[in-house]
Amino acid sequence: QLVLTQSPSASASLGASVKLTCTLSSGHSNYAIAWHQQQPEKGPRYLMKLNSDGSHTKGNGIPDRFSGSSAGAERFLTISSLQSEDEADYYCQTWASDIVVFGGGTKLTVL
Amino acid sequence: QVQLQESGPVLVRPSETLSLTCSVSDGSISPYYWSWIRQPPGKGLEWIGFLCSSEGTTYNSSLKSRATISLDTSKNQFSLRLRSVTAADTALYYCARVGYCGDHSRAIDYWGQGILVTVPS
Repeated sequence: QLVLTQSPSASASLGASVKLTCTLSSGHSNYAIAWHQQQPEKGPRYLMKLNSDGSHTKGNGIPDRFSGSSAGAERFLTISSLQSEDEADYYCQTWASDIVVFGGGTKLTVL
Repeated sequence: QVQLQESGPVLVRPSETLSLTCSVSDGSISPYYWSWIRQPPGKGLEWIGFLCSSEGTTYNSSLKSRATISLDTSKNQFSLRLRSVTAADTALYYCARVGYCGDHSRAIDYWGQGILVTVPS
């Protein structure tokens, strides 16, 4: 079964960096994912598509502070130089030919 | 820049049918997959289904065949109908673009702003 696992919460200080993790279920370690940001009271925004080799394609207007990487079944979103507007929920998303799956989301608090 | 906008009734009575439309601007609807996703208040995202005009429609099995997604290429719109709603269907409903038809990727790359639909208990 295709499942994505995310930690419910994370926190980091203003100006620091944070690395969020999304883990693919067993047998799916070669799957690509997408990262999405949902700021409070807003709809989600596409950040990037992240492949198993760590290559990624960002959405229009996504700052260079956002980057992605991969290691085995883990997919990472790194946000550097944290700003107050980065405080949001972050969701990972993956897919097969007949299904789309979301992780449970990570709530990022900027201290 | 592709823009998506949801519209439809925001209050639906139990057992009736929820009907939403997504209008797509600045881009042709035909070459892409289009999807509906929902988010119950305070909870995470749930995929409802997606369709491509040339490859058909696929739905989340958890909705037990209550959902129908359709495309109107003449109006550059696509729609969702969800039958026999209950209070558990109360959610923010988002429309989204998923990727090129014929491509393996189903990465969502554009989202609507969402519409809150309430089904009273």
